[in-house]
This record gives sequence, structure tokens and C-alpha cells, in this order.
Amino acid sequence: DIVMTQSPDSLAVSLGERATIKCKSSQSVFNRSNNKNYLAWYQHKPGQPPKLLFYWASTRESGVPDRFSGSGSGTDFTLTISSLQAEDVAVYYCQQHYTTPLTFGGGTKVEI
Amino acid sequence: QVQLVESGGGVVQPGGSLRLSCAASGFTFSSYGMHWVRQAPGRGLEWVAFIRYDESDQFYVDSVKGRFTISRDNSKKTLYLQMNSLRPEDTAVYHCAKDDYGTGWSSLKYWGQGTLVTVST
Repeated sequence: DIVMTQSPDSLAVSLGERATIKCKSSQSVFNRSNNKNYLAWYQHKPGQPPKLLFYWASTRESGVPDRFSGSGSGTDFTLTISSLQAEDVAVYYCQQHYTTPLTFGGGTKVEI
Repeated sequence: QVQLVESGGGVVQPGGSLRLSCAASGFTFSSYGMHWVRQAPGRGLEWVAFIRYDESDQFYVDSVKGRFTISRDNSKKTLYLQMNSLRPEDTAVYHCAKDDYGTGWSSLKYWGQGTLVTVST
């Protein structure tokens, strides 16, 4: 199984400041045949289903504010919130969909 | 628009069974693979199972293999998860989610609200 390791487990960021979340996979999730990283990022708020933020590691889902960015390739990925807003308080997960079992990182709780 | 509505959750004793349903609308259900993903209280997200658009193959996380069965009825636009030999550690909110592909697996844009399963005496 591909193990997804996120860091940190939680972080407190002041409003307007940058938040950076790391995700590392135990093996590469890059597919050379289509040049894509099979890595997604989700935002999860209590009582709601997870919301897809990025797919293919860095393609922003429609409607996601551009203060969010996704980067990385192979085994190392980063989600950045450039200027934290109050509505960004949530738990963030990375997920690989390269192979089954699909696996999620443990989550990073972002607080103000 | 895409809608996924789960039902069937509840309280069940260890060793018991439960069948979850996920009613789909707003898309051609028979063309897409479907997933179940769960979240135990205080824990993170865990992918549970996937079924291809035509039921030709199913995939499971190791912890539920042999106990859970994912299936679908394309005529009813409904996804199912039959859960047998339930354990306390199966307690979770179970979400269904739509894949972007019929046969492979993609990121998950569309999710249901979830249904709570509690395994307890």
C-alpha cells in the first residue's frame, strides 16, 4: 500500500499569513505515460463532505480561491494557503489515486 | 447537478449486518465508477471500496475484505455497501463518492453527506 504522510498534524496561522502543508508518499504517484501525478487535496469541515481543492497535484478545482496552490511531483507535495482567511479553518487531506487501496494522509488541522 | 444521498446507517451490535445505499442523480450513473469512503470519530478519511461502472470489478481496503461487499443497480441509480460481521472499529460516517472514470479511479469531486454507522453493544 502507498502510505501518505502529512505534516504537520496541525498548525495555527494568523489571519493573512501563509499556511504550508506537506504530503509525502511512500512511493511515486507519477505516471510517466500521461505525465501526471495522481495526487489530490481536499478541505474538510465538520458536518460537511470533503471538498476537492486540487487534482493532478496542482490543478485547482473550479471555484477554489487562488490563494490556494498545490505543487510537487513524484513523492513530495505541498498545499499552500498564501493568505489565510477565517473560512479556511478546516482539516486538509492529501490522497493518492494512483493505485488501490486509495490512501489518504492523516490530515492537517488548520486553525487561526 | 450531481447529488448523492446515503441512507441505511444506524446502530448495530458487533457481528451484525447493515446495508448502506447511495441514491445518485444528476449524471449518467451507469457510466461511472463509485466509491465508499469512511471517517471514524476523531480519525481521518479512509477509502473503503470501489466498483467499476459495469460491476466488472470491485476493490476493497484490506480491513473490510471478506466482510463488506460493494454493489450497484444501474437501473435504480443506486450504490450499495453490504456490511457483515461488523466490528466496533467500523463505526464511522460512510460517504459515497463519484469517480470521474468508469473503470479507473480519479480524485473525488462529488461526495454524499454521509450516513453514520455505529457498532456497539
